[in-house]
Amino acid sequence: QSVLTQPPSASGTPGQRVTISCSGSSSNIGSNIVNWYQHLPGTAPKLLIYSNFQRPSGVPDRFSGSKSGTSASLAISGLQSEDEADYYCATWDDSLNGHVVFGGGTKVTVL
Amino acid sequence: QDQLVQSGAEVKKPGASVKVSCKASGYTLTTYGISWLRQAPGQGLDWMGWINPYNTYTKYSQKVQGRVTMTTDTSTSTAYMELRSLSSDDTAMYYCARQGVLAADAFDLWGQGTMVTVSS
Repeated sequence: QSVLTQPPSASGTPGQRVTISCSGSSSNIGSNIVNWYQHLPGTAPKLLIYSNFQRPSGVPDRFSGSKSGTSASLAISGLQSEDEADYYCATWDDSLNGHVVFGGGTKVTVL
Repeated sequence: QDQLVQSGAEVKKPGASVKVSCKASGYTLTTYGISWLRQAPGQGLDWMGWINPYNTYTKYSQKVQGRVTMTTDTSTSTAYMELRSLSSDDTAMYYCARQGVLAADAFDLWGQGTMVTVSS
């Protein structure tokens, strides 16, 4: 049972827009920044979005992040086949002396 | 370019300990924090804790507190994670990751992962 709640799956056809939600609480998303990671099978996770909506150098602007209250979302516009991966949201949680928490992950399938 | 290179796969018996290394190159280890994370088969990512290589301050998750020790050797730019009293629940891919470059808890650089299998 993950602290942050994500839908287990999402899908779209090439070129479509897909949105992934991440729901938390006042002790985590409600009071801290959210980061998003892309994880392709057999590789290390990759930082996709940091500080709610910032993109690291090299990440296409097709990926965008937002946060409102105790929820955050990741949008992938112009979906491409190489976007098929698992996506995780993460943030700091102030409870239990503080720790990093992740969502359960969302598998994005390009149809 | 900046890299984190981890040690190879391990197979351990229940009750044993494992020590995974993570060698940093391309940047100075003491400049940024190192977190350790793991992913059990079919499961999501799980944060284990982090170490500040500059002052060796550590913070561990409650899930592994008491069984884990994170250390660094600045002379070799290497971070270590030791996990004791292993059980089958500890079978997972273990990752080290750099944090603090772009944001405090954003992991911008990852090791390639070390598979730890606990089996009798």
